[in-house]
Amino acid sequence: NAGVMQNPRHLVRRRGQEARLRCSPMKGHSHVYWYRQLPEEGLKFMVYLQKENIIDESGMPKERFSAEFPKEGPSILRIQQVVRGDSAAYFCASSPNRINTEAFFGQGTRLTVV
Amino acid sequence: AQSVTQPDIHITVSEGASLELRCNYSYGATPYLFWYVQSPGQGLQLLLKYFSGDTLVQGIKGFEAEFKRSQSSFNLRKPSVHWSDAAEYFCAVGINYGGSQGNLIFGKGTKLSVKP
Repeated sequence: NAGVMQNPRHLVRRRGQEARLRCSPMKGHSHVYWYRQLPEEGLKFMVYLQKENIIDESGMPKERFSAEFPKEGPSILRIQQVVRGDSAAYFCASSPNRINTEAFFGQGTRLTVV
Repeated sequence: AQSVTQPDIHITVSEGASLELRCNYSYGATPYLFWYVQSPGQGLQLLLKYFSGDTLVQGIKGFEAEFKRSQSSFNLRKPSVHWSDAAEYFCAVGINYGGSQGNLIFGKGTKLSVKP
């Protein structure tokens, strides 16, 4: 059973471009979480999704950021018109639909905006 | 509001010495608690977790943690540190969505250095 797969591992974008980060959860997992880690900081929750539904997006910036988890395919975190402050590591985690089970993290995507 | 505090930003210990990393949380209900380790440029690896039951939790790599409700603490311990334990350690509290783990609130991390 492969772990949580994120791609790309590294992404460089120029200011104003769009960044698309992908996350394939572990097999059988229907919950996906996105986190952002700024340099010298812990991880900050961004959004929690189940298949085709956003459950909690309280950590998402109001503009330029969006996330989806379609019925088929990976979860996508999309950042439009990137700025230097978006440079960070973005981690995805997934969990199954069972109580008392933890989420498993991917290796992260390191976004650099130049 | 929920929060996690790791009071020590950086700790240095000698190889073979004991280790305790502190974590305090603020959460209104019974928390789900976690310790993760992150090596440079890597993702997070779960060391141990507490959902319910025995308040002393054993994890991987010889780590353990004790949940103390009265002190709102979940400190991580290891009796003898190895050089390979040098990394950053994050404590987290899980928001309970009706029994399923929801999002995690992380502390800012404690960076562990190990002296030979």
